[in-house]
Amino acid sequence: DTAVSQTPKYLVTQMGNDKSIKCEQNLGHDTMYWYKQDSKKFLKIMFSYNNKELIINETVPNRFSPKSPDKAHLNLHINSLELGDSAVYFCASSQGGRGSIPEETQYFGPGTRLLVL
Amino acid sequence: DQQVKQNSPSLSVQEGRISILNCDYTNSMFDYFLWYKKYPAEGPTFLISISSIKDKNEDGRFTVFLNKSAKHLSLHIVPSQPGDSAVYFCAATSGTYKYIFGTGTRLKVLA
Repeated sequence: DTAVSQTPKYLVTQMGNDKSIKCEQNLGHDTMYWYKQDSKKFLKIMFSYNNKELIINETVPNRFSPKSPDKAHLNLHINSLELGDSAVYFCASSQGGRGSIPEETQYFGPGTRLLVL
Repeated sequence: DQQVKQNSPSLSVQEGRISILNCDYTNSMFDYFLWYKKYPAEGPTFLISISSIKDKNEDGRFTVFLNKSAKHLSLHIVPSQPGDSAVYFCAATSGTYKYIFGTGTRLKVLA
């Protein structure tokens, strides 16, 4: 049983297209995240959602729109894809998110490798 | 501005020896630190963590040390095993639903 799953695993698309990446967690967690790992391997937080509400938005272009239909899902929709969007996108979840106790450890999905041509 | 830095991109260690991975941070508001391990084509997996009220946390072969005055933490793996070969990320948070990750250190344990 996969705790945090993402689809698709690979995504190759043309510049200007709109695409979505889906994330689901079956851990009963109430906080979910999206991270971007760029070509320099820098893992940078994009969004945090707690109980379906946006908590953190790290100056991500508004072409990126997260949507949380319920606590177990956090999807990422990207409009007008650009070359610089090519990266690996990781979804994660945790119980809570204040991060100060071991029980709030994040669990990561396997990543979605996005290539924009 | 990179608040969490791992200055060694790679490290090679002989099997059975100690691996020491280092991490520096700049934000004094960070109060919880974590280490993650990542294999190729997989997401990071949690390894060990430490609260800022402690200076050491041990879990089996893994020990994390925190030096708050130096804003430095390190992960010790002893004895190192070939299965430990992976990329290790340190991360920090100030309890705001936001985790800041370092750029990772690739550890290679030689058999």
